[in-house]
Amino acid sequence: DSGVTQTPKHLITATGQRVTLRCSPRSGDLSVYWYQQSLDQGLQFLIQYYNGEERAKGNILERFSAQQFPDLHSELNLSSLELGDSALYFCASSRAEDTGELFFGEGSRLTVL
Amino acid sequence: AQSVTQLGSHVSVSEGALVLLRCNYSSSVPPYLFWYVQYPNQGLQLLLKYTSAATLVKGINGFEAEFKKSETSFHLTKPSAHMSDAAEYFCAVTLPGRGADGLTFGKGTHLIIQP
Repeated sequence: DSGVTQTPKHLITATGQRVTLRCSPRSGDLSVYWYQQSLDQGLQFLIQYYNGEERAKGNILERFSAQQFPDLHSELNLSSLELGDSALYFCASSRAEDTGELFFGEGSRLTVL
Repeated sequence: AQSVTQLGSHVSVSEGALVLLRCNYSSSVPPYLFWYVQYPNQGLQLLLKYTSAATLVKGINGFEAEFKKSETSFHLTKPSAHMSDAAEYFCAVTLPGRGADGLTFGKGTHLIIQP
């Protein structure tokens, strides 16, 4: 158990819809990272928050957005969903930012039909 | 920008045989290097990391990796494979001071263990 909690574990929705994925980091971790994993693209970094502020942006689509709340949990919002958005979405948290060690949740599997 | 290349998307070994998963990196300065493992239906977890101390790094579950600057490599090895080692393995790189912010993952190597 990494200490990072993600909900929901599975989500099935239709094209054009909007979903929200939730992440609770390990106790004491200020940084939250979102990754997308798919068979064709591999593991792609989407966005990072540190103590409520956006810190880094990766390959995140404009249809996607995220935020980190004062209690440090984070949400990833995916809108106008397309078939190609079907993937495993991981949240990770970090405390020791200087070493690069990440603790991953078990992921949210999104299926868009 | 730094990057890693994992040679072989799939590697198959027999139970009890040597495991060798290859990773080569590209970086303008000495990097920090990591191996993560992803078991089926789970998130990634850290196997081991190199952060400029000893070049031979020992990790969990009997795995180790050696940083070779002359070869720009950080290959992962285990002397004797076990069925429970079947998983996806990711090599990752970042720069000192960048930490997890600059972490870049390879495409992964799927390790198959034959009985």
